[in-house]
Amino acid sequence: GQSLEQPSEVTAVEGAIVQINCTYQTSGFYGLSWYQQHDGGAPTFLSYNGLDGLEETGRFSSFLSRSDSYGYLLLQELQMKDSASYFCAVENSGNTPLVFGKGTRLSVIA
Amino acid sequence: GAVVSQHPSRVICKSGTSVKIECRSLDFQATTMFWYRQFPKQSLMLMATSNEGSKATYEQGVEKDKFLINHASLTLSTLTVTSAHPEDSSFYICSAGVGGPPDTQYFGPGTRLTVL
Repeated sequence: GQSLEQPSEVTAVEGAIVQINCTYQTSGFYGLSWYQQHDGGAPTFLSYNGLDGLEETGRFSSFLSRSDSYGYLLLQELQMKDSASYFCAVENSGNTPLVFGKGTRLSVIA
Repeated sequence: GAVVSQHPSRVICKSGTSVKIECRSLDFQATTMFWYRQFPKQSLMLMATSNEGSKATYEQGVEKDKFLINHASLTLSTLTVTSAHPEDSSFYICSAGVGGPPDTQYFGPGTRLTVL
């Protein structure tokens, strides 16, 4: 079977750094993606890792270790607007559905 | 680029009626689109894979006769919830990709269905 594990909730202070971890068990792994979803909205793509290492996009970075079946999303200089749910998702092969984790609800507090 | 639209954004209907939701890729062609359902504070649950010109592939536990999917063109897929009941009330979201890897999925804005 396939499964992804990520924390259900995380709370962090405005201006701080937070890391959201994701471990996975899948077959035919291509890469790991991260999506952000605000309440009432649709998911939006944040980042993708196909190779081991760190990918940086502004305040957001994502890391992948294929040997450990592990990745994380790093959010720096947190802002109140970063309060949202964050989903990791595994891509198994082209044209097959992404497999999503259950999401991590991030609350940024003042 | 890679914009996906959904219509309607919100619908309220009576129990027993049918509701059609449209998903369009506005600036790219999508041979495959995906339909998800999401209950409050839960993750996305894949319902089916919509394939242009062929039958949709449904996930286990999803009734294909209740959730009719048609992918008539490379830019349009429709989901029809037939004989809707209150338990069908949910947030329905479609997505489409431009191919990969990475097969980045672009999501529509979602349709909130409320069945009275």
